[in-house]
Amino acid sequence: DTAVSQTPKYLVTQMGNDKSIKCEQNLGHDTMYWYKQDSKKFLKIMFSYNNKELIINETVPNRFSPKSPDKAHLNLHINSLELGDSAVYFCASSLGPVGYFGPGTRLTVT
Amino acid sequence: AQSVTQLDSQVPVFEEAPVELRCNYSSSVSVYLFWYVQYPNQGLQLLLKYLSGSTLVKSINGFEAEFNKSQTSFHLRKPSVHISDTAEYFCAVSGLNSGGSNYKLTFGKGTLLTVNP
Repeated sequence: DTAVSQTPKYLVTQMGNDKSIKCEQNLGHDTMYWYKQDSKKFLKIMFSYNNKELIINETVPNRFSPKSPDKAHLNLHINSLELGDSAVYFCASSLGPVGYFGPGTRLTVT
Repeated sequence: AQSVTQLDSQVPVFEEAPVELRCNYSSSVSVYLFWYVQYPNQGLQLLLKYLSGSTLVKSINGFEAEFNKSQTSFHLRKPSVHISDTAEYFCAVSGLNSGGSNYKLTFGKGTLLTVNP
């Protein structure tokens, strides 16, 4: 009965490839997010969706494209992966100001 | 705009010693404050939150934090730490985006708490 789940947990790929990360929440929240944690552990918001509608896009390169098929799912597709995309990507959902995070996906681009 | 400053990047302590992890914030709107914990190679867990009411909030594992509006602080404390408390601790503030429709969390850079035997 995991609240926010992500797949895969680890993702290793080569530069130039396209990859996707999937996220699902069973908390019934209307709002979902993607956060990026860099190698220095700094966390920053990338996107926010409210009931399938994109609300926040924090100047993320357009190689990153989120998609929300319904309010319980928010996927992240990344085109033409670069070395600098290596990071841990966290999905989250929220009820008001309180955010609940998934376990993270560690993406390594070689 | 909102921001969070965690003054210490690393805090080493001995087991059973008290600890304080410092956090200062700035926010131009209503203040919602959080501490998240990240154990090695794991995700982010909500440790405790301040939304309103009592300025002292407590977690089930002995941590507490006090919201101090005049000092714009939300320091995390524990009177006696265990080795299992070793983790990265993130202070965060939540506020509405510029459109007023969604909340977003702004995190500090984290404090690595290392508890030694």
